[in-house]
Amino acid sequence: SQTIHQWPATLVQPVGSPLSLECTVEGTSNPNLYWYRQAAGRGLQLLFYSVGIGQISSEVPQNLSASRPQDRQFILSSKKLLLSDSGFYLCAWSVQSGGHEQFFGPGTRLTVL
Amino acid sequence: GENVEQHPSTLSVQEGDSAVIKCTYSDSASNYFPWYKQELGKRPQLIIDIRSNVGEKKDQRIAVTLNKTAKHFSLHITETQPEDSAVYFCAASIGGNNRLAFGKGNQVVVIP
Repeated sequence: SQTIHQWPATLVQPVGSPLSLECTVEGTSNPNLYWYRQAAGRGLQLLFYSVGIGQISSEVPQNLSASRPQDRQFILSSKKLLLSDSGFYLCAWSVQSGGHEQFFGPGTRLTVL
Repeated sequence: GENVEQHPSTLSVQEGDSAVIKCTYSDSASNYFPWYKQELGKRPQLIIDIRSNVGEKKDQRIAVTLNKTAKHFSLHITETQPEDSAVYFCAASIGGNNRLAFGKGNQVVVIP
């Protein structure tokens, strides 16, 4: 069966510090991968998605970036965090073809102070 | 792009009553509409989904209806129980690559 992991589970970082969040998927190959941010009491905002190694599409302009160095690894990064980067970051995967469920990871709660 | 509106934002129901959440979407090309349930501090999990070639789908106490002409779909929960209390998100597919546009969520509170 497929599983999706995210780490760390929680993170407190000062403004201006770098960020690296990692997501890995097991039990499937060539998945679509997604990064979402959920601000407190808000919906899910799609940040990035990837259809293959090295292929990243950005949905919204921001100071975050994403990379996919391996088929089942998706990384979210920032060189300098802003207060507004605080939130609950969710990674998700789906099969490549359209019209299918996205499966979410457990999330990382990031607080920028 | 796709715009998904979800209402009401909060809904309180007595245990045993029914709850209905409605969503509207803007892109007539959307063909996949999932509903996710998110408990506090946890990940969203799919509870039911519907594709555009179907008007209604039911799974035990949960059902979803889709009106493609009016571009809206609804989640129906019957015989609500306290464990149904959560935030519910609707979503609609965007273009290719299995992307989804999510609504802002609906907080459902089931009062025992």
